[in-house]
Order: sequence, then C-alpha cells, then structure tokens
Amino acid sequence: DGGITQSPKYLFRKEGQNVTLSCEQNLNHDAMYWYRQDPGQGLRLIYYSQIVNDFQKGDIAEGYSVSREKKESFPLTVTSAQKNPTAFYLCASSKRTGGSGANVLTFGAGSRLTVL
Amino acid sequence: GDSVTQMEGPVTLSEEAFLTINCTYTATGYPSLFWYVQYPGEGLQLLLKATKADDKGSNKGFEATYRKETTSFHLEKGSVQVSDSAVYFCALTSLMDSSYKLIFGSGTRLLVRP
Repeated sequence: DGGITQSPKYLFRKEGQNVTLSCEQNLNHDAMYWYRQDPGQGLRLIYYSQIVNDFQKGDIAEGYSVSREKKESFPLTVTSAQKNPTAFYLCASSKRTGGSGANVLTFGAGSRLTVL
Repeated sequence: GDSVTQMEGPVTLSEEAFLTINCTYTATGYPSLFWYVQYPGEGLQLLLKATKADDKGSNKGFEATYRKETTSFHLEKGSVQVSDSAVYFCALTSLMDSSYKLIFGSGTRLLVRP
C-alpha cells in the first residue's frame, strides 16, 4: 500500500546536537511538507517543497533545514539553532492539483523529538 | 493573512450524543475547506472536504457545510461513538500564493464516554 513513512518514531537529543528526521513517500506525490505540532496548538508549517531540488520556507523555518534530492524523500534536520525543538513533527505530501486549490494532504505517523 | 478559528476543547460527550465543533475562517478568495482527525499517537487523516460555497462534505457519519456568508465550516455528527474520541482539526487551502499550503486551526479534542 502507498503511504508516507516517518522515522524514527521517537528520538531523544542532547542540547547542541543536530538531528535528522526521515520522511519517505511512495505515492508519487509532487509536493511534500513538514509541520510542527505542539500541545494545544495547531500545526505550523516549517518547510515545503513542490518539486525536486526546490523548497520554500514556511512560517517557522528558523533552526531547521531540508533537502529534496529525490521525489520520494524530504528529510528534515533540526539544528542546534532551534531554541525549543521538543515537539511532534509531521511530514505530509500531496499531488499538485494545479488551480483547483483542493490540495488534499496525506500525513505520516509523525516523529516525536525530545531534547534532554 | 489567512486563518482558522476552532472552538476550544476538550468537548466531552456521552455515547450517542449529537456533536458540533465550530470552525470559522478568514481567507482571501474562496479556499477549499477540510476537517482532519488525529487519533492518539498518530498522524492526521482527512475526514471530509468541501471545495466551494454550499458544498457539504460527509464521511463516516460526519458532515460539514461550506457557508460563505458566515465564513464557517462546522463539523456535526448525529450520534457519536467512543471510537470517535480524537482531536479534530479544521483547515483551509491558502490561495495567497501558489503553494496551496494548508492552514490549520488549533484543534478540538473530543472525548466520548460510554
């Protein structure tokens, strides 16, 4: 079955370390997204990519970096510059729908990062 | 900018009760509207959507109608079950740029008691 695989599911990091969260999709979707979820808050967009070798900053990109070298992969690196990285991270993808605007996202199961 | 406002939770109901979760939005143009559901420890799943005014999205007994005049997209279900306990997110597709990114509300937690 097609879907999105995020790994690891749980990750612990010491302060000052960079960590990379993996996101792989086999849906043949063009666009991929990273969202951050904090307790009691909605999802906030970190980065998104609409095509290979191109990506754009979202609303809270500071302290994060991404790459899109392959269509199916969109890894997220949480750098030591991110002041409060403890959160639940969700990767999503979508088939671009041109001008219709009905951009349905498929989500992965998420990765929970805890900074010790 | 575009935004979504949801009623705060948690919403606690007994099984078979009627559910309403309010959602209103502010947006440029006529965005598509969505409800996503998140079960504990999981990612989000699309529950239903509507792409134009007066459209009604429905799935698994849940319904929501796109009301342009009140900029609302309230989620309803006639008889909730314990298995409906989850967090529900209202969202819209921003048309402000070509990204068609989703903007989410803060989520409403629903707890259904037997």
